[in-house]
Amino acid sequence: DAKTTQPPSMDCAEGRAANLPCNHSTISGNEYVYWYRQIHSQGPQYIIHGLKNNETNEMASLIITEDRKSSTLILPHATLRDTAVYYCIVRNAGNMLTFGGGTRLMVKP
Amino acid sequence: GAVVSQHPSWVICKSGTSVKIECRSLDFQATTMFWYRQFPKQSLMLMATSNEGSKATYEQGVEKDKFLINHASLTLSTLTVTSAHPEDSSFYICSARSLAGGPYNEQFFGPGTRLTVL
Repeated sequence: DAKTTQPPSMDCAEGRAANLPCNHSTISGNEYVYWYRQIHSQGPQYIIHGLKNNETNEMASLIITEDRKSSTLILPHATLRDTAVYYCIVRNAGNMLTFGGGTRLMVKP
Repeated sequence: GAVVSQHPSWVICKSGTSVKIECRSLDFQATTMFWYRQFPKQSLMLMATSNEGSKATYEQGVEKDKFLINHASLTLSTLTVTSAHPEDSSFYICSARSLAGGPYNEQFFGPGTRLTVL
C-alpha cells in the first residue's frame, strides 16, 4: 500500500472549517483514499473514502487532486467533539487498513 | 454502519495470568477479523489477521504463542494474551471486514479493550 504523509497536529477554531491535508504521492490507480478518526480511548471511526472524485457525506467532504497525489478532508463546521486523531489511509479494496501517524486535530473554543 | 463490539472494555490482571478479549460483529458476518494494538500516543499497529475457520496470520514481531487468536465463527474472534506481563499493557482494538464485500471491503472497528497488567 502507498504511504501517506500528514502534519502531526493542527488547531482549528470551533465553528470554522477544518482542512486536513494528506500527501500520497505514490498512490496507484486502484487504491482508494480513506479517512478515519480516533477520539481518545475509542476505536477508529470511518469518515469517508474516495477514488478519484470528490466525495461528501454528513460528516465531511473529501477533495482529491486530479493527479490523486494528495487529498484534503474538510470538516465544514468543526465542533469540540471533532477533536481527535485523523488518519489518512490509502489501500486496495482487498487489503487491510494500515495506520500511519495521523494528524491530531485540536478544536478550540 | 456495521457494529463491532469488544468485551471487556477494560481489564486489569496480574503478571503471569492470561486474558481473553472477545470481538463480535453484531449485525453482519465477518470473513476476516483484524487485531491491532496501540500504545500510548502511538498509532495502531496490526498484530494479526484471522479468517474464519483458519489459522491467524501474524505480523512480524508478534508472538503467535503469546497472542492466541481464535476465529471460530463468522461473528466472533477472540484474542488471548497468555502469561501477560506489564509490557503487554496496551489498548487492543479489533476490526471486522464484512462478508458482503463489494468494491470497498469495509473494515469496521470495535471500541477497544484497555489491558493493564500489574
